[in-house]
Amino acid sequence: EPEVTQTPSHQVTQMGQEVILRCVPISNHLYFYWYRQILGQKVEFLVSFYNNEISEKSEIFDDQFSVERPDGSNFTLKIRSTKLEDSAMYFCASRSSGGSYNEQFFGPGTRLTVL
Amino acid sequence: SQQGEEDPQALSIQEGENATMNCSYKTSINNLQWYRQNSGRGLVHLILIRSNEREKHSGRLRVTLDTSKKSSSLLITASRAADTASYFCATVSTDSWGKFQFGAGTQVVVTP
Repeated sequence: EPEVTQTPSHQVTQMGQEVILRCVPISNHLYFYWYRQILGQKVEFLVSFYNNEISEKSEIFDDQFSVERPDGSNFTLKIRSTKLEDSAMYFCASRSSGGSYNEQFFGPGTRLTVL
Repeated sequence: SQQGEEDPQALSIQEGENATMNCSYKTSINNLQWYRQNSGRGLVHLILIRSNEREKHSGRLRVTLDTSKKSSSLLITASRAADTASYFCATVSTDSWGKFQFGAGTQVVVTP
């Protein structure tokens, strides 16, 4: 069964460093998302991406964040200068076309720890 | 309250009992989905119910949707210890690009 994969599973970084979180969505999907979940809190939407551009983003997704689909398979989230409060689980998700009725498939997440 | 609020926040039951949790939301939605998350792990999709559906079943799961009350319920019948997890509802608003808005979740503990 196709699945969304994410690497690394755990990333530890120093405050101020840049990190890139990687995701491989399901191959025929067209809509891509990043979410984050701070420990003990709910899952929060960061950004959606369609047709090689951001379609929607939340207030959390400021200038420190960027997304890219550098090739036909990867979808990345970059945090330019990490802060302590960026420590969270980051989930990538994708869905096929056909309107927003369809299920979003989530990856297993990357746990980011900023020291 | 926020979009996709679940109640109760926590639920503790014995194996074999049913677990019911509710979700309320505020905006018009295309669909509502329930996810499960084991501690520190990823999100597992359980069931999707569309705005024009009222009830859906999948194995031991039963989901209802009342769009007039902007609420949904998830029932897990004959619960097992392995059902111990957090359960989240996620809504997709009609005016979005399919982004999810998650509630805070219901933490379910099933004791043998």
